[in-house]
Amino acid sequence: NAGVTQTPKFQVLKTGQSMTLQCAQDMNHNSMYWYRQDPGMGLRLIYYSASEGTTDKGEVPNGYNVSRLNKREFSLRLESAAPSQTSVYFCASTIEQTAGYGYTFGSGTRLTVV
Amino acid sequence: AQSVTQLGSHVSVSEGALVLLRCNYSSSVPPYLFWYVQYPNQGLQLLLKYTSAATLVKGINGFEAEFKKSETSFHLTKPSAHMSDAAEYFCAVSDRAGNTGKLIFGQGTTLQVKP
Repeated sequence: NAGVTQTPKFQVLKTGQSMTLQCAQDMNHNSMYWYRQDPGMGLRLIYYSASEGTTDKGEVPNGYNVSRLNKREFSLRLESAAPSQTSVYFCASTIEQTAGYGYTFGSGTRLTVV
Repeated sequence: AQSVTQLGSHVSVSEGALVLLRCNYSSSVPPYLFWYVQYPNQGLQLLLKYTSAATLVKGINGFEAEFKKSETSFHLTKPSAHMSDAAEYFCAVSDRAGNTGKLIFGQGTTLQVKP
């Protein structure tokens, strides 16, 4: 019962480098989300995918892109990393976006940009 | 627009004391409401949720929360704190109207439990 799996768990990047954060869920969920967590700011939504084949911007999308590769996988890409993107990134999924089921979260990726 | 406010970024209680974590929301339609817990270096885990079936909601680990529409509140309580309850707690709201059901999170409350 893996749930939501995120890779890598830790990453250090230099300013300007690119990387992709991977997320996969094995619960047959339709909707997937990427959040970033910063001290004192809670979790802020970066991008989400209500269903396979669709993606939409959240609250803080600048500097990020996403791909819903298939129903299971939803990746987050930083094209040119900046120190302001130092954060903990969480992927989450739910059965249906509007059904009030709540989300299942991955364990997070801790990213430092130097 | 929806929003969530958690009153108090840090709450400290003694072991065995009542735990009360406050959450107020703003929503134009009756919302879904959630409490999540995050232990150090882990992801978020769902504690409980309100989806209009009952105003008093019981969750895992002895926690419960009461939805009060008149006060736009969804405070989290536990009668007797355990050391293992020390964690960060997040309240979240979801708009059940249309297709906008994204979760909006509060800033979080860190619960410290003193022996």
